[in-house]
Amino acid sequence: DAKTTQPNSMESNEEEPVHLPCNHSTISGTDYIHWYRQLPSQGPEYVIHGLTSNVNNRMASLAIAEDRKSSTLILHRATLRDAAVYYCSLGFGNEKLTFGTGTRLTIIP
Amino acid sequence: DGGITQSPKYLFRKEGQNVTLSCEQNLNHDAMYWYRQDPGQGLRLIYYSQIVNDFQKGDIAEGYSVSREKKESFPLTVTSAQKNPTAFYLCASSTTYRFGEQYFGPGTRLTVT
Repeated sequence: DAKTTQPNSMESNEEEPVHLPCNHSTISGTDYIHWYRQLPSQGPEYVIHGLTSNVNNRMASLAIAEDRKSSTLILHRATLRDAAVYYCSLGFGNEKLTFGTGTRLTIIP
Repeated sequence: DGGITQSPKYLFRKEGQNVTLSCEQNLNHDAMYWYRQDPGQGLRLIYYSQIVNDFQKGDIAEGYSVSREKKESFPLTVTSAQKNPTAFYLCASSTTYRFGEQYFGPGTRLTVT
């Protein structure tokens, strides 16, 4: 199964953009890239997903490298409520996702 | 409200006992999943089911068993064969035929002593 690599932690100032990177050099042609986030002692929450093209939704944007070996989750204006562990995951559609160890995002007021 | 419920939130068991974790969804989703999370770690897939009466092993199925007799229910049994059962267990569901998100329950924290 393809694996993902993310930095263990990142910090960002409130109201500034945040770029969370993810490497997935062994991604297969059918794998979608999914991002979830998790608050302490809660289940993960879906953020965004994509295959090849960049994607935008109300929560975030997903920028996918042309070779698909890396991607970046972009939070355009971080708030304190965005502090969480962010997981980059791969899977065919939404089945059998492979989760990495995640990036703990701290927002500085 | 639609969603996924897991019960109980906290569960304590003695070593050597089997224990069943409940997962119910009213989202009319075809697919359901069980994940295990250890402190500071990501999620690891235990079992998943794409349709009633059918399920597949995930990456760490040893010591666990599941059943899928109803679309809305996917209970997980942690057997005495599971060597390190203490963990946070998460259930999720999704619509199989749409490339969208998995919806997660609030989790059950199991402690075995």
